[in-house]
Amino acid sequence: SYEVTQPPAVSVSPGETVSITCSGDKLGDNYVSWFQRRPGQSPVLVIYKDDERPSGIPERFSASNSGNTATLTISETQAMDEADYFCLAWIRRTPSYVFGTGTKVTVL
Amino acid sequence: EVQLVESGGNLVQPGGSLRLSCAASGFTVSSNYVNWVRQAPGKGLEWVSIIYSGGSTFYADSLKGRFTISRDVSKNTVSLQMRNLRVEDTAVYYCVRGSRDGDTFDIWGQGTMVTVSS
Repeated sequence: SYEVTQPPAVSVSPGETVSITCSGDKLGDNYVSWFQRRPGQSPVLVIYKDDERPSGIPERFSASNSGNTATLTISETQAMDEADYFCLAWIRRTPSYVFGTGTKVTVL
Repeated sequence: EVQLVESGGNLVQPGGSLRLSCAASGFTVSSNYVNWVRQAPGKGLEWVSIIYSGGSTFYADSLKGRFTISRDVSKNTVSLQMRNLRVEDTAVYYCVRGSRDGDTFDIWGQGTMVTVSS
């Protein structure tokens, strides 16, 4: 089965930039979206179709997807960005969806 | 307000059956993609199934035909019938609306807990 892996955790200082990766075989051939999930809350879509931001999501959130890796970048990180982040790959040909393993972002 | 509310989660014995329901408000299930996603304790998210606006259905390979997704347009609900349940099916089950193009998910319910145990 198709697998998408993420680093379990990353940390960042306020105001700095942090990047989170999702890795999977030929991941760049599939659309990837990214979600933010704070404890006790439902996930929030922050990126779709590899690099598109939904309305209301700050420009600090950006992303790319190419080859075997998709990357979410948070610039000028704020304390409110502390959360779990996970990616979602849409395997259109099947169709099916595969979630990344999730990354906990800690703002120190 | 666009909202999804799940119900039906319960404790069930291995080999048993359970039916989950998802009530949609603020949009019609007949015009949207609706998914079920689950998360086992201490594990990551796993996509379970989708029903298209046209009625087509698809499932995760791992389910091997044990689950069936359906909808009731008159009640604006989507259901997940689960049969021959296993301990490893224990999870929080979320009802999730798909985006207009089907590439992602844009609205999540709060989830309902299914526990499979003897």
